[in-house]
Amino acid sequence: DQQVKQNSPSLSVQEGRISILNCDYTNSMFDYFLWYKKYPAEGPTFLISISSIKDKNEDGRFTVFLNKSAKHLSLHIVPSQPGDSAVYFCAAREYGNKLVFGAGTILRVKS
Amino acid sequence: DAGVIQSPRHEVTEMGQEVTLRCKPISGHDYLFWYRQTMMRGLELLIYFNNNVPIDDSGMPEDRFSAKMPNASFSNLKIQPSEPRDSAVYFCASRLSSGNTIYFGEGSWLTVV
Repeated sequence: DQQVKQNSPSLSVQEGRISILNCDYTNSMFDYFLWYKKYPAEGPTFLISISSIKDKNEDGRFTVFLNKSAKHLSLHIVPSQPGDSAVYFCAAREYGNKLVFGAGTILRVKS
Repeated sequence: DAGVIQSPRHEVTEMGQEVTLRCKPISGHDYLFWYRQTMMRGLELLIYFNNNVPIDDSGMPEDRFSAKMPNASFSNLKIQPSEPRDSAVYFCASRLSSGNTIYFGEGSWLTVV
């Protein structure tokens, strides 16, 4: 039973446009959410996070939105660049405990 | 600064053999995690330690898998006997108890033939 779901296995976007990656969760005890990016043959690297007490966090081209009532978060990348092509993992954490990851979404940014 | 260090990077072994994957967490980090990445299930948490003590091993697939953390700077994950379905990338990660972000190693690519 997956507590964190990324229902889109892949996404293709034109360079300069917006990329929107979505994530749904089922556990209402999650209090912190993170996005990781992974390039081939490398480990995942932290990208951006958001606490459950907020509904938006922005860092440069990356913005994460959290809708607690819908148990949904999304990552917006604007403008998208070819170097953003990677696998993006959504992760959620219960207070003080482990991170639970989604299955990942492959983003391809076409130039 | 050294990140999480894993070895070996690549391992090819025959079914039935014992496999040992090693991890050195970031110095000072008191949480250590072992994850497995597969195409079907993404990143699955296998086990995690706090201050060298296993806290949750509910993700370990079966008794063939075991993990230890004898000290703060080393952990290993063993599979005995290995099977082809164990083929995956195994990641080790660590974090500070006061932090929210976990830091991953580059992974160990395991192929069991």
